[in-house]
Amino acid sequence: QVQLVESGGDVVQPGQSLRLSCAASGFTFTSYGMDWVRQAPGKGLEWVAVIWSDGSTKYYADSVKGRFTISRDTSTNSLYLQMNSLRAEDTAIYYCARLTANWNFDYWGQGTLVTVSS
Amino acid sequence: EIVLTQSPGTLSLSPGERATLSCRASQSVVSTYLAWYQQKPGQPPRLLIYSASTRATGIPGRFSGSGSGTDFSLSISGLEPEDFAVYYCQQYGNSLFTFGPGTKVEI
Repeated sequence: QVQLVESGGDVVQPGQSLRLSCAASGFTFTSYGMDWVRQAPGKGLEWVAVIWSDGSTKYYADSVKGRFTISRDTSTNSLYLQMNSLRAEDTAIYYCARLTANWNFDYWGQGTLVTVSS
Repeated sequence: EIVLTQSPGTLSLSPGERATLSCRASQSVVSTYLAWYQQKPGQPPRLLIYSASTRATGIPGRFSGSGSGTDFSLSISGLEPEDFAVYYCQQYGNSLFTFGPGTKVEI
């Protein structure tokens, strides 16, 4: 069965960096685009970034462009999100999600919590 | 960027009743790229409907989606206790994904 397991969430100070990981299993990783979606405490869903199945193309939400980098490692079936220059407003649960051919998300991980606070 | 607006913000209903949720886009959305999700407290979202009207795998028949252009809706016929949750619409366009703010369906 499809499984997505995020890790790497932590409490960090503003301006610091953090790297999130998502371990994928149960499907052919190289056949799917992957995304990060976040949810601030008590708020709605916000798309963060997408990487295409072959890793050739990446897009970012304006709120994270220039600070966050999405990447993938096909040798370990892992998705990553490098987050630099973190701000208080980046505080959220970060989910990794599998992208379908219809540009929606059919499987989600349980999420990892990132807290940015001084 | 296409902005999605959902209404109402909260829908108070009883089990067995019908729920109708609205999702309106600031620009026309390709129907193929419109989806609905359900989220319960402490859980990740679950895909309900994709391509505006196709139920995802394992989703009960009481959930249905419709609409085109800028107006889409999600209907739940005969609310079950497990259906009380927050529902989000989502679209893809111009290399960006956006979610609506959500509709909470409460008892």
